[in-house]
Amino acid sequence: SQTIHQWPATLVQPVGSPLSLECTVEGTSNPNLYWYRQAAGRGLQLLFYSVGIGQISSEVPQNLSASRPQDRQFILSSKKLLLSDSGFYLCAWTGGKGTGELFFGEGSRLTVL
Amino acid sequence: AQKVTQAQTEISVVEKEDVTLDCVYETRDTTYYLFWYKQPPSGELVFLIRRNSFDEQNEISGRYSWNFQKSTSSFNFTITASQVVDSAVYFCALSEDTGFQKLVFGTGTRLLVSP
Repeated sequence: SQTIHQWPATLVQPVGSPLSLECTVEGTSNPNLYWYRQAAGRGLQLLFYSVGIGQISSEVPQNLSASRPQDRQFILSSKKLLLSDSGFYLCAWTGGKGTGELFFGEGSRLTVL
Repeated sequence: AQKVTQAQTEISVVEKEDVTLDCVYETRDTTYYLFWYKQPPSGELVFLIRRNSFDEQNEISGRYSWNFQKSTSSFNFTITASQVVDSAVYFCALSEDTGFQKLVFGTGTRLLVSP
């Protein structure tokens, strides 16, 4: 069966520090991968998605970036965090032609101080 | 542009009450998909249902039921005989038929079920 894991689960970082959140999917190949952010009291916002290795599409201009170095690995990064980057980050995947449901990871809660 | 509106920010009910969560969507596409997800306190989103725009049949799964009405662009979710374990944030989402899943989420409805 397919599983998706994210880490770290929680992170407290000072403003201006770098960020790296990792997401790994197991049990499937060539998944479509996504990073969503959930800010306090708000819905989920799509940040990035990827249809294959090295292929990244950005939905929202920001100081975050994403990379997909391997088929089932998706990384969210920042060189310098802002206070507004605080939130709950969710990685998700879907397979096939992408019309099925998204499966989400456990989430990573980032607090920028 | 696509948009999903969940006007109910928070709903509080007592166990065994029925509760309906509203979802209204906007899209110019004729083919699209609608979803409901549950987010328990642990944070992980749990998939509940997917419905495509050509299937307006209502669906029932145990205590859960969904009412899809294209005429009013609504996809409402009803929990019958609510339980404390139903306490969570529920998200409605919409995706166009691009062959690639880009969900647009509503802001969610927090459901609190008290004993």
